[in-house]
Amino acid sequence: KAGVTQTPRYLIKTRGQQVTLSCSPISGHRSVSWYQQTPGQGLQFLFEYFSETQRNKGNFPGRFSGRQFSNSRSEMNVSTLELGDSALYLCASSLEGLDRGGEKLFFGSGTQLSVL
Amino acid sequence: QKEVEQNSGPLSVPEGAIASLNCTYSDRVSQSFFWYRQYSGKSPELIMSIYSNGDKEDGRFTAQLNKASQYVSLLIRDSQPSDSATYLCAVNIRRRNSGGYQKVTFGTGTKLQVIP
Repeated sequence: KAGVTQTPRYLIKTRGQQVTLSCSPISGHRSVSWYQQTPGQGLQFLFEYFSETQRNKGNFPGRFSGRQFSNSRSEMNVSTLELGDSALYLCASSLEGLDRGGEKLFFGSGTQLSVL
Repeated sequence: QKEVEQNSGPLSVPEGAIASLNCTYSDRVSQSFFWYRQYSGKSPELIMSIYSNGDKEDGRFTAQLNKASQYVSLLIRDSQPSDSATYLCAVNIRRRNSGGYQKVTFGTGTKLQVIP
């Protein structure tokens, strides 16, 4: 069974640009969550999508958005990039979603975004 | 107060010793607790989950949960150099958002170094 696939692996952008990251969950998983990881803040929750609906959102500005397609693949978009957006962006899939308290997350390899 | 707190370390232990990693959480009604291991440059992977007070053992790993003290720990027996990694504590926060959904919150992680 293939794992969680994230593309691209690395991205270099400049301030003011926008970026789109992609995540394909494990086959059969309907939930995709996105996290931002930085050395100082650790893993910060961005949002969760389940069956094409955003169910939960973290404390990030509106420049961060996402969507999920009918095949459960998800994309995350960041507009008007800032230097502070440089981070590792991880997506995680789970079978039924974070609302099922015992759900375990399976992470992709992440996209390392550098904003210059 | 952070929702999930961990000592960032590094925690250094000699090979063969017991490594003890600790985590406290703020939401008294949290029900699900997880330990993820993250090697440098890799994504987190789940190693333990625990839902009830007490101990749960899996090989060299033991997770301990004390809901009254809002404390969860991970013990690694017979520590090996291959255990050197950052260990992330994760808690399923049951306090629901306006849409009625939960989220998984991570601590910033404890870096473990096992010295040969």
